[in-house]
Amino acid sequence: EAQVTQNPRYLITVTGKKLTVTCSQNMNHEYMSWYRQDPGLGLRQIYYSMNVEVTDKGDVPEGYKVSRKEKRNFPLILESPSPNQTSLYFCASSFPGGGTDTQYFGPGTRLTVL
Amino acid sequence: AQKITQTQPGMFVQEKEAVTLDCTYDTSDPSYGLFWYKQPSSGEMIFLIYQGSYDQQNATEGRYSLNFQKARKSANLVISASQLGDSAMYFCAMREGLRNDYKLSFGAGTTVTVRA
Repeated sequence: EAQVTQNPRYLITVTGKKLTVTCSQNMNHEYMSWYRQDPGLGLRQIYYSMNVEVTDKGDVPEGYKVSRKEKRNFPLILESPSPNQTSLYFCASSFPGGGTDTQYFGPGTRLTVL
Repeated sequence: AQKITQTQPGMFVQEKEAVTLDCTYDTSDPSYGLFWYKQPSSGEMIFLIYQGSYDQQNATEGRYSLNFQKARKSANLVISASQLGDSAMYFCAMREGLRNDYKLSFGAGTTVTVRA
């Protein structure tokens, strides 16, 4: 089954404790992205990757890091989480070239930073 | 500037009635795509419908149709014959350019509650 998986699905942590949210896709997609969703703001892109070892900032990259060492994986790293990073996070992947269902979204990771 | 504007934070609709969700967008790129996603309370993002900027006809997918008015930069979603399972948050999103599939710009969303 074609899918994007994220782990963990739920996480409660404390300020300053480094964490990683994993994302993996099995569709051989070149493009992968991370979004965060906040009430009243919709989804905003944090980082994206156009291929292995190619990453770039989205609209809200501060406080986050990413890496793309393998095509299928795109982990999101919070080196020193703060309460304003409490949010719902989505990983997404796609092929280049346009189309109707251009982005496949993971199930989301709900993060709470105390 | 906001690329996608959804002005209705929340709406109530009676079961079996139709509901229209507003979406306006802002882009100077002649090539773009517009999407609607549904997010139920479980949180996942479900793709509903797509409209390309060069599409001549309004997109339809089952009970979902997109009222695309290019000159007004509007892409309203119409859900016909609402069902209780349609209660969810709905997001309008835009991809600018033909190959910028790595990014969607989203609106703030509209919460729809269907009443029995």
